[in-house]
Amino acid sequence: GENVEQHPSTLSVQEGDSAVIKCTYSDSASNYFPWYKQELGKRPQLIIDIRSNVGEKKDQRIAVTLNKTAKHFSLHITETQPEDSAVYFCAASYGAGYNKLIFGAGTRLAVHP
Amino acid sequence: GAGVSQSPSNKVTEKGKDVELRCDPISGHTALYWYRQSLGQGLEFLIYFQGNSAPDKSGLPSDRFSAERTGGSVSTLTIQRTQQEDSAVYLCASSYLGQPQHFGDGTRLSIL
Repeated sequence: GENVEQHPSTLSVQEGDSAVIKCTYSDSASNYFPWYKQELGKRPQLIIDIRSNVGEKKDQRIAVTLNKTAKHFSLHITETQPEDSAVYFCAASYGAGYNKLIFGAGTRLAVHP
Repeated sequence: GAGVSQSPSNKVTEKGKDVELRCDPISGHTALYWYRQSLGQGLEFLIYFQGNSAPDKSGLPSDRFSAERTGGSVSTLTIQRTQQEDSAVYLCASSYLGQPQHFGDGTRLSIL
């Protein structure tokens, strides 16, 4: 069935360090992979997404890589700042097309000054 | 205009009562999704509407849950005979076909 696994569940880094969060998915037909950031009590906010026809995408300090053969994708945050502290969720579309999203369980990132 | 709007923001009700949660998607968005987020957990897909197509109800956890979307815009999620395990934040999202999903602030449902 459809499943997305996300690791680690918690991540603690010092300000300025890099953070990496990894996800694997089960449905080989999935072709869209967004990442959402959720601050406490707030709505999930899209921070970056990638489609299956590319292997990497960058937006300032954030990058996502995709390995379709291995069915895994990762979020990389460089030069972390305290305001990066939040819960991050990866997701994969289920089936071809932009369909329902199957979410990972989330990673709680804490950036310490 | 405005983003996805959900109401009420909070709902407290007694076990066994029915509840209705409302979602107003972003204007022009053809797709509408409902997800559930239990405390400290990820988002669980419930149901998906796309245009005039039959909705994908594969995520609804039981027949006590139903949803409708009137006129291709506003959606209502109904939970009948609520149980304590229904307590969660119910999130609605909308998107234009092929574009990212944008979430509302959610309805925090508490069943006493």
